[in-house]
Amino acid sequence: GQSLEQPSEVTAVEGAIVQINCTYQTSGFYGLSWYQQHDGGAPTFLSYNALDGLEETGRFSSFLSRSDSYGYLLLQELQMKDSASYFCAVRDPAGNKLTFGGGTRVLVKP
Amino acid sequence: NAGVTQTPKFQVLKTGQSMTLQCAQDMNHEYMSWYRQDPGMGLRLIHYSVGAGITDQGEVPNGYNVSRSTTEDFPLRLLSAAPSQTSVYFCASSYSSLAGAREQFFGPGTRLTVL
Repeated sequence: GQSLEQPSEVTAVEGAIVQINCTYQTSGFYGLSWYQQHDGGAPTFLSYNALDGLEETGRFSSFLSRSDSYGYLLLQELQMKDSASYFCAVRDPAGNKLTFGGGTRVLVKP
Repeated sequence: NAGVTQTPKFQVLKTGQSMTLQCAQDMNHEYMSWYRQDPGMGLRLIHYSVGAGITDQGEVPNGYNVSRSTTEDFPLRLLSAAPSQTSVYFCASSYSSLAGAREQFFGPGTRLTVL
């Protein structure tokens, strides 16, 4: 089976930096994805890491360490619109399914 | 492109009723999937399809049926609704199963309440 752990909630102020950690246990690892979901909305894809290291997409970056079974999503220059839930997800060994973590709710305050 | 569309947006059922949640995509994606999301939780995979005529079970398939007769459509059938099926249901698609294991495009969701 596969399982992922994320913190349930993070609070920060506008302009700050937030790091959302994700640790996983899988029978085989093929990549870590990150999704954003605003309240009442649908999840939207943010980033994907298959190899160790940092992937940067604008204000958001995602990091992976396969040896530590660990990744994180870094949100920089926080804006009010970044208030949302963020989910990490891993691919199953057969390559057909994504397993999602429970999500981290990020609350951005003025 | 409309992307992934789902109907209805809201639905209330009584225990024991059956219904079909509709999902369609106009991106010619091979891979489609159904998830349910309970309050404050992540998404759990119900069923998925890697192409027309091919479906398989996900993590929580009991009480649900799917079929994939065309590339565009992937309906989800609730056979006999139970209060435990109260949830938000999301349909998603990707251009291939390999891509679907990385990036999926989600529909707006159907909010289902079973009384």
